[in-house]
Amino acid sequence: DGGITQSPKYLFRKEGQNVTLSCEQNLNHDAMYWYRQDPGQGLRLIYYSQIVNDFQKGDIAEGYSVSREKKESFPLTVTSAQKNPTAFYLCASSRTGRLDQPQHFGDGTRLSIL
Amino acid sequence: QQQVKQSPQSLIVQKGGISIINCAYENTAFDYFPWYQQFPGKGPALLIAIRPDVSEKKEGRFTISFNKSAKQFSLHIMDSQPGDSATYFCAASTYAGNNRKLIWGLGTSLAVNP
Repeated sequence: DGGITQSPKYLFRKEGQNVTLSCEQNLNHDAMYWYRQDPGQGLRLIYYSQIVNDFQKGDIAEGYSVSREKKESFPLTVTSAQKNPTAFYLCASSRTGRLDQPQHFGDGTRLSIL
Repeated sequence: QQQVKQSPQSLIVQKGGISIINCAYENTAFDYFPWYQQFPGKGPALLIAIRPDVSEKKEGRFTISFNKSAKQFSLHIMDSQPGDSATYFCAASTYAGNNRKLIWGLGTSLAVNP
């Protein structure tokens, strides 16, 4: 079955530590996205990539970094510079970067601070 | 100019009733309006979407009504079922120019009582 796989489902970060969230898709989609979801705040865009080896900052990119070395993979690193990382992180993909196409989401990674 | 305002924040409906969720926007350049459904612990999934050249779109029990002059659109769930209990997000986007992101509402938590 085609889809988006996010791992791990739960992740704990220590103070001063960088952590990396995995996102893999087998839908052959060009575009991929990372969102952060906090209670009552909806979805906020962190980074997006419309093509391999290219990515753009979203609304809340500070304290995060990404790479897009392969079409299937779009990992997100939460750096120690992100002072409030506790949230539900969602990865999505769409066939192209056109926003009138459905975004397909993974089941998320819940990040907490130890 | 970039906001999408969604209401109500939460909604309780009896089984068989009609659930209505409303969204309003300001940017007249928006030209694609999707609704996403999210179950607890899962990522959102596209439910239904509309463009402003039509005033209504129906898919099964789900209908989007669009009022271009009022800059409002709404989701109607007919014959609401307990399985519809989820969080619903409206969004808006334009695929013209440099604005390459969805603007999300803050979500409506729907509970359908059996």
